[in-house]
Amino acid sequence: GNSVTQMEGPVTLSEEAFLTINCTYTATGYPSLFWYVQYPGEGLQLLLKATKADDKGSNKGFEATYRKETTSFHLEKGSVQVSDSAVYFCALRDYRGSTLGRLYFGRGTQLTVWP
Amino acid sequence: NAGVMQNPRHLVRRRGQEARLRCSPMKGHSHVYWYRQLPEEGLKFMVYLQKENIIDESGMPKERFSAEFPKEGPSILRIQQVVRGDSAAYFCASSPPGGTTDTQYFGPGTRLTVL
Repeated sequence: GNSVTQMEGPVTLSEEAFLTINCTYTATGYPSLFWYVQYPGEGLQLLLKATKADDKGSNKGFEATYRKETTSFHLEKGSVQVSDSAVYFCALRDYRGSTLGRLYFGRGTQLTVWP
Repeated sequence: NAGVMQNPRHLVRRRGQEARLRCSPMKGHSHVYWYRQLPEEGLKFMVYLQKENIIDESGMPKERFSAEFPKEGPSILRIQQVVRGDSAAYFCASSPPGGTTDTQYFGPGTRLTVL
């Protein structure tokens, strides 16, 4: 089946520190991979995505590379800011079989950045 | 182009009452997805609809829950005879027809509290 496992939080960093949030997946087909961000009291916003192996998604200084050999899609940022404090969700969308359409989410990782 | 709209943003119901959650997709989007987020958990898929059709409802509880997406008007998620365990955030997402993108765009959510 399809599933996503994310590094558990919370993650607490000082401003300008390096961020890594680990994400691994299992999928029956050829998934697209996503990172969504949720700010307090709001819905999910797409942060970045990758649709095939070795693709790198990037946005707002965040990056993630689709690694088929390790079934991973780790989120990284070189220098975090206080405004990056949020919950980050890794997700996949598989295009095979009856699960077409749905997203599978990890449990989310709470990031807090201190000034 | 307005984003995905959901209302109400907050809904309080007593046990046994009915809850109706509404979702208006982005303009031009004909695919709607509903997800539920329980406290401290990731989002779980509930149902996938296109105009006037339920495509995949395998994530929906068998009893008390129903969803529709009529030809005109918003998509409705209906929960009859609510129980405390239904307290959660319910998110709607939409995407355009024809597989032009695999990205789902999320609304701000409805936070349901059952007393």
